Amino acid sequence: DADVTQTPRNRITKTGKRIMLECSQTKGHDRMYWYRQDPGLGLQLIYYSFDVKDINKGEISDGYSVSRQAQAKFSLSLESAIPNQTALYFCATSDSGVTDTQYFGPGTRLTVL
Amino acid sequence: GQQLNQSPQSMFIQEGEDVSMNCTSSSIFNTWLWYKQDPGEGPVLLIALYKAGELTSNGRLTAQFGITRKDSFLNISASIPSDVGIYFCAGRSNTNAGKSTFGDGTTLTVKP
Repeated sequence: DADVTQTPRNRITKTGKRIMLECSQTKGHDRMYWYRQDPGLGLQLIYYSFDVKDINKGEISDGYSVSRQAQAKFSLSLESAIPNQTALYFCATSDSGVTDTQYFGPGTRLTVL
Repeated sequence: GQQLNQSPQSMFIQEGEDVSMNCTSSSIFNTWLWYKQDPGEGPVLLIALYKAGELTSNGRLTAQFGITRKDSFLNISASIPSDVGIYFCAGRSNTNAGKSTFGDGTTLTVKP
């Protein structure tokens, strides 16, 4: 089984709809992240959480919110989706050690019409 | 915020050729990481570098942590079709709350 899972894997929605993307991990890591990937723009950090009670904004948090329901679960919400939020979204985890090696989920492809 | 300049943006090479890509930054990093993203999947760590000047290999891949701590390069020798994908560098510094900053990626295409 995958260490980091994301649901759904693909989603098509309409402008103005509320969307939630979910992430679960079995690695026992404290740190979790949500990234957005657009072609040619690499990975942009949306939000990150270093433990269950810690939530921090990343580079592009406007229009997004998150919830850390448990150590293993970190969800990303788009309160009112807009077309320029069409992108590939990745969840990742890392331990709190020196390396900060990040383990990524398989991604969720979101299309907002 | 911290930014990484990764180059080249894309490469089209023949199978068997060597590949070189690099990342530079105006900021100092304590750790450099190189990831590969296969089509339709999330990035996976290839090599991690923790010390200035460090040269580390992983099979046909070799990466170096620049002496100035502001750059890193990744070389792939004797490329094969399965090397196709997007390669990302990432730098981590203690002054950025321990978060990694990612480059924009190098898209590699290998022609058989």
